[in-house]
Order: sequence, then C-alpha cells, then structure tokens
Amino acid sequence: NAGVTQTPKFQVLKTGQSMTLQCAQDMNHEYMSWYRQDPGMGLRLIHYSVGAGITDQGEVPNGYNVSRSTTEDFPLRLLSAAPSQTSVYFCASSYSRVDTQYFGPGTRLTVL
Amino acid sequence: GDSVTQMEGPVTLSEEACLTINCTYTATGYPSLFWYVQYPGEGLQLLLKATKADDKGSNKGFEATYRKETTSFHLEKGSVQVSDSAVYFCALRDNAGGTSYGKLTFGQGTILTVHP
Repeated sequence: NAGVTQTPKFQVLKTGQSMTLQCAQDMNHEYMSWYRQDPGMGLRLIHYSVGAGITDQGEVPNGYNVSRSTTEDFPLRLLSAAPSQTSVYFCASSYSRVDTQYFGPGTRLTVL
Repeated sequence: GDSVTQMEGPVTLSEEACLTINCTYTATGYPSLFWYVQYPGEGLQLLLKATKADDKGSNKGFEATYRKETTSFHLEKGSVQVSDSAVYFCALRDNAGGTSYGKLTFGQGTILTVHP
C-alpha cells in the first residue's frame, strides 16, 4: 500500500496562474479531504468528499475547486492563484467521516 | 463553533525531560479527541486518540486523558528523546451530527525540539 500520495511536493506559481494538486489513495477509502496548513493556524479544511461524485465545502473553500470522479483520486484545483494561497496543502483519507484520517506528505505551494 | 487551543510554542527540552503540551477545546456534544504528530518534511500521523470522557489514549510513551469537566486533552511523556522532535497538533472530531459531523478541527500546533 502506498497510502495517500500527493504530487507535486513543491510548486511555485505566479499570481493568476492555475494548477491542480493531485491526491490519490489506494486504501479504498470513501472519505477524502483537503487541508491547508499555515503558520500559527493549524490545519483548516478546504473541501471534502464522502464518496465518488459527492463533494462539499469546508471552512476555507474560496479560490479552490474539487471533483471526485473515482474513489481513488481527489484533485484540488486553484483557478487563479493568489499570494494568500501560499501554504502547505495536505490531502487526507479515511473509510468514513468518523474513522481515523490518514494524511499525505503535503505539497508546499508558493504564489509570487 | 468548535475550537481547539494549544499551548504556545516552541518548546525546547533536554533529552529525558518530562513533557506536557496543554490542549483545551470547545465543542457541542461529545467530540472525539486526537493528537497528531508531524515529523520534519512529512505529513501528519495519528499519535493517539480518545473517544469518550475519561478515556486515556497512549502510544510510543505518550499519554493523554479526555477530561470533559475541564474540556482538556493534555499530552504527556515522562522522558522525551531527540527523535520526539516534531510538531504536535491537538484536534477534535465533531460527533454531534449536522453539517459539521465528522469534521476535524485542529489546534495551531506546538513545535517540540529535544536536545541531546
């Protein structure tokens, strides 16, 4: 089992560029989520999904889109990057929303 | 809404010293409580958890007890090692139902550095 994988590990964008952060899991987990980690603020939930075809907003969804076409993949799209989106992004998955969440290694994004 | 407050860091200790990282929470109902650890350059790993009042979670020499009367879940270890150097996050999971059901709320994290 690879667990939860994320690509890329590092990315630098210019303001206004778009990109997709990839997340995949091979544990057949139904629940997947995206968090951003900022200094002094812990992790904040961006979007989550309770299964293929079902997504919902978390605490800080603005500027981000998600889709869940398969159980395994849950990409996060930045539509028009802004410096305020400079952060470390973590993807997580679990069997259900009340099971232990397993985290990926993270993507460090810098927006100039 | 739900919130988690951790003691301010960073915390610097010598090897074999005792560790306590304070964590208090605000939540409706009966949340589940967690400690996650993040080693340098890695994602978060579950360290321990407790799902009801008076439960004690333990792992790798770390312990935390779910205290509903003080809404606390302090992390303790009797003798820290250099390899314990990491960022520690306290978190709660909403079990009350509704739109917040199952969501994790994290504290701000506490950086621990242990010197030889």
